Amino acid sequence: EAQVTQNPRYLITVTGKKLTVTCSQNMNHEYMSWYRQDPGLGLRQIYYSMNVEVTDKGDVPEGYKVSRKEKRNFPLILESPSPNQTSLYFCASSYSINSNQPQHFGDGTRLSIL
Amino acid sequence: AQSVAQPEDQVNVAEGNPLTVKCTYSVSGNPYLFWYVQYPNRGLQFLLKYITGDNLVKGSYGFEAEFNKSQTSFHLKKPSALVSDSALYFCAVRDLTSGTYKYIFGTGTRLKVLA
Repeated sequence: EAQVTQNPRYLITVTGKKLTVTCSQNMNHEYMSWYRQDPGLGLRQIYYSMNVEVTDKGDVPEGYKVSRKEKRNFPLILESPSPNQTSLYFCASSYSINSNQPQHFGDGTRLSIL
Repeated sequence: AQSVAQPEDQVNVAEGNPLTVKCTYSVSGNPYLFWYVQYPNRGLQFLLKYITGDNLVKGSYGFEAEFNKSQTSFHLKKPSALVSDSALYFCAVRDLTSGTYKYIFGTGTRLKVLA
């Protein structure tokens, strides 16, 4: 089954403790992206990747890192999480940024930073 | 700069009535436009897209959207609403000529279909 898998689905942690949210897709998609969803703000793009080793900032990249060492994986790293990063996070992928194909979304990761 | 506006936080409609969820956009060039739906505790699911061509686009679950270039709008419509259509709807845009590969989403509109 074609899917985008995020882990963990839920995480409660404390300020300053590094964490990684994993994202994996099994569709051989080139384009992958991370979003955060906050009430009243909708989805905002954090980082995206056009292909392996090619990443760029979205609209809200501060406090986050990403890497794309393999085509299928696109982890989101919070080196020193802070309470303002408490949010619902989504990973998404699509065939290619130059195609007109829609994005496929994971089921989300709810992060609470205390 | 690219932007998307969904002016209504919530839309209520009676089952069987037509529904409209509004979206306006601002891009410097030609847009790719998308509608997604989100059910509780799930990721977004694709409904339909406008790339080029016919201004009326048909999508999943009986939804359609009309692209209006002069009004820079891409409103989502359905002739007859179902209770199961109740969900959170997002409009998104990508500017093809911006030189970036970013997507911009609206703030979302919660649709409530009343039985």
